[in-house]
Amino acid sequence: GQNIDQPTEMTATEGAIVQINCTYQTSGFNGLFWYQQHAGEAPTFLSYNVLDGLEEKGRFSSFLSRSKGYSYLLLKELQMKDSASYLCAVSPGGGADGLTFGKGTHLIIQP
Amino acid sequence: NAGVMQNPRHLVRRRGQEARLRCSPMKGHSHVYWYRQLPEEGLKFMVYLQKENIIDESGMPKERFSAEFPKEGPSILRIQQVVRGDSAAYFCASSPTEGQPQHFGDGTRLSIL
Repeated sequence: GQNIDQPTEMTATEGAIVQINCTYQTSGFNGLFWYQQHAGEAPTFLSYNVLDGLEEKGRFSSFLSRSKGYSYLLLKELQMKDSASYLCAVSPGGGADGLTFGKGTHLIIQP
Repeated sequence: NAGVMQNPRHLVRRRGQEARLRCSPMKGHSHVYWYRQLPEEGLKFMVYLQKENIIDESGMPKERFSAEFPKEGPSILRIQQVVRGDSAAYFCASSPTEGQPQHFGDGTRLSIL
């Protein structure tokens, strides 16, 4: 089966750093993806990891440990516009390329 | 705009009618995916297509739902005899090859009266 877990909601302060964790149990693995989704809008691609380690992309970084079935998204220098849902998704690969998504983490940024 | 284009943005149907949702992938992308998002729920994979072929339809309901991606024109998700439970946001995504990041369209919000 496929199971992806992430916290339902998190709160952080403008200018600070926040880490959003994601654990997964899937039948196959061909990459882990992070998306941002504002209410009523399309998911926007942020980052992805195929190999273990840290991928940095401006204010956003994503980490993967395949042996632990674990990833996190790190957001630095938080801005009010970062208030959104953050979606963790896994590609199972092997010809089944549809992403399995977690329910998303609703991030609230406070002044 | 070279992004994934979906239309219509909003679609209202009465129970028993048919709904047709269209998706044009990004230029250069030949892989198309359809997802459904219910209120307060995560995105659920429905179907994965390449030109003229359904690659994986493991997330599609067995009845009333179908999808195609013809040689010419957009991908179509078709829902026959709609019911209230079909009300949701339907997102299309595309990628250049398998395993690459998928880029999403703005979605079609389907409302069933």
